[in-house]
Amino acid sequence: EAAVTQSPRNKVAVTGGKVTLSCNQTNNHNNMYWYRQDTGHGLRLIHYSYGAGSTEKGDIPDGYKASRPSQENFSLILELATPSQTSVYFCASRLGGRCAETLYFGSGTRLTVL
Amino acid sequence: GQQVQQSPASLVLQEGENAELQCNFSSTATRLQWFYQHPGGRLVSLFYNPSGTKHTGRLTSTTVTNERRSSLHISSSQTTDSGTYFCAIGNSGGSNAKLTFGKGTKLSVKS
Repeated sequence: EAAVTQSPRNKVAVTGGKVTLSCNQTNNHNNMYWYRQDTGHGLRLIHYSYGAGSTEKGDIPDGYKASRPSQENFSLILELATPSQTSVYFCASRLGGRCAETLYFGSGTRLTVL
Repeated sequence: GQQVQQSPASLVLQEGENAELQCNFSSTATRLQWFYQHPGGRLVSLFYNPSGTKHTGRLTSTTVTNERRSSLHISSSQTTDSGTYFCAIGNSGGSNAKLTFGKGTKLSVKS
């Protein structure tokens, strides 16, 4: 089973502060994703990546940056956190290609912005 | 962008009853997946099923691509089936890594 590790599991931040959420996968998957989950909205895509050095905007990228410095690591950065970014954030990875569609999720990071 | 609509939003069953969850999407999708979220939050993939019918255990997924719909059938439900079920779609165009999720169906199975 592919493993995706997120850190931290829980984070409390102050408005205007910088927050970095980290995601690591050792499955050599090409594609990685950041989603947020809020009640009534399901999972919404923030940023994704095709591989090291690439980041793409998802459906709700405003207020977020992403960084993919290596195949294994994909970070989500909130430069100026706001209370509206309080949510549960999920990282996921996928090998990519027609025969490798399964998406593997991390356990989530619960972020509270005060 | 693509839209995914799931119904019903929530469903309560007595143990042993069957469930039918629906997913309708706004544009032709060549990649469709069903996911299950445990009550504790963990998300797992159930099916990759862009067309046709697939079975695993008590679960059956049927996707009719040209009608832009997919269903997830759960037979003889158990309390451990409780959780939220998501449908997600993507296509094989330029943004082929992108998957769009529906809002989910929350299932509660009572003993």
